[in-house]
Amino acid sequence: EDKVVQSPLSLVVHEGDTVTLNCSYEVTNFRSLLWYKQEKKAPTFLFMLTSSGIEKKSGRLSSILDKKELFSILNITATQTGDSAVYLCANDQAGTALIFGKGTTLSVSS
Amino acid sequence: GAGVSQTPSNKVTEKGKYVELRCDPISGHTALYWYRQSLGQGPEFLIYFQGTGAADDSGLPNDRFFAVRPEGSVSTLKIQRTERGDSAVYLCASSPKLGGEQYFGPGTRLTVT
Repeated sequence: EDKVVQSPLSLVVHEGDTVTLNCSYEVTNFRSLLWYKQEKKAPTFLFMLTSSGIEKKSGRLSSILDKKELFSILNITATQTGDSAVYLCANDQAGTALIFGKGTTLSVSS
Repeated sequence: GAGVSQTPSNKVTEKGKYVELRCDPISGHTALYWYRQSLGQGPEFLIYFQGTGAADDSGLPNDRFFAVRPEGSVSTLKIQRTERGDSAVYLCASSPKLGGEQYFGPGTRLTVT
C-alpha cells in the first residue's frame, strides 16, 4: 500500500532555531514529492522535487530528495513565529492524486 | 490572479440532509481535485477531473458522494444522506496540467449534527 510518513509529528522550537522535517515514502509510481505549508485551511505550495540530490531553496526554506533511500527533508533556518504551521509532505501518484502524510506541526515560540 | 475559491466556507447540516459544496478553480486550470481532511490527518484524495470527466473517483468513500464538473471549470461535490462521520474539511485543488503542483482552496468545513 502506498504511504507517506512524516516525522516528527510535532515540534516546538525557539525563534532563530534551525529545524529539519522528515518525509519517507513507499509508492509504486513515483513522479514527484511535494511540500506544503498549512496555517489555517488552505495548504500553500512550497516545493516540488523530482530529482535526487538537487536542493530547492526559497528564502530560509530548502528541501532535498533522495530517491534511493525514499525520503525527503525540509529545512527551515532562523525560524520565525510566522513559520508556525503544519507542514505536509505528499507524493504525486502517477500525476494524479496526491498521497499526503499526516503532517508535522511546528510551533515557533518567541 | 485569483486563487481557488470554495463556497460555503462553513456548512452545518443535520444528519440525513443533502449538501453541495462548490469549487471555483484557477482560470485555465484543466485538472481539478477534491480532498477531505479530518482533524490531525493529511488531506485524503476523493476524486479528480481532467476537463469535464471524472478521471479517477476511487477515493469516494461510498455512493452517497458524487461530484460533477459539467463545463470543465466549476465543480460541485454532492453528499446525500449525510452522516456525522462526513464531518471534515473538504478541500479543492486545481492544477494547470496533470502532474503539476496543485493549488488548494481554503476549504469548506462541513459539520453534520
